[in-house]
Amino acid sequence: EDQVTQSPEALRLQEGESSSLNCSYTVSGLRGLFWYRQDPGKGPEFLFTLYSAGEEKEKERLKATLTKKESFLHITAPKPEDSATYLCAVQAERDSGYSTLTFGKGTMLLVSP
Amino acid sequence: NAGVTQTPKFRVLKTGQSMTLLCAQDMNHEYMYWYRQDPGMGLRLIHYSVGEGTTAKGEVPDGYNVSRLKKQNFLLGLESAAPSQTSVYFCASSYLTGGGYTFGSGTRLTVV
Repeated sequence: EDQVTQSPEALRLQEGESSSLNCSYTVSGLRGLFWYRQDPGKGPEFLFTLYSAGEEKEKERLKATLTKKESFLHITAPKPEDSATYLCAVQAERDSGYSTLTFGKGTMLLVSP
Repeated sequence: NAGVTQTPKFRVLKTGQSMTLLCAQDMNHEYMYWYRQDPGMGLRLIHYSVGEGTTAKGEVPDGYNVSRLKKQNFLLGLESAAPSQTSVYFCASSYLTGGGYTFGSGTRLTVV
């Protein structure tokens, strides 16, 4: 069974205070790892896909990295508008050729001015 | 460029009532999904479809039915609503297996 564990559950930062969110996963074979951002009352918004260990992707103040067991979402010099819940999801390789995403419970980030 | 549109946005049902949630996408995506999101539980897959006329069960399918009669639409039905089905329901679609899903804005359903 595929499992995704995100930590911490909640994180409070001061504006400009860099930090990282963690996503640990267990999957028989990783096809892809996904990061999403979700604002209150809205649907998740796609951020990144990572496919292999060592891969990194960046978008503005966000940088996602991937190892064989976990992924990190690094937030550099965050701003209040970065406040949101960040979701991690994995897709496994399947012999049948298709599998859906399994999501973690998310990390709620609050950035104070 | 609407993306994924869900209707209705809010609904209150009485126990035992039925309803249908509609999801429409204008991106010509093959794959569509229905998730529910509950506090402390994260997003859980209810049903999904890999193409017009196909449906498959996800992690929590009991109490729900789905239909994909047209490629752009994916309907989620509750035949006899229960309080345990109080949740926020999200529809999503994607081009490829595991390509970034595009989510709708959600339907907040309360069953009393």
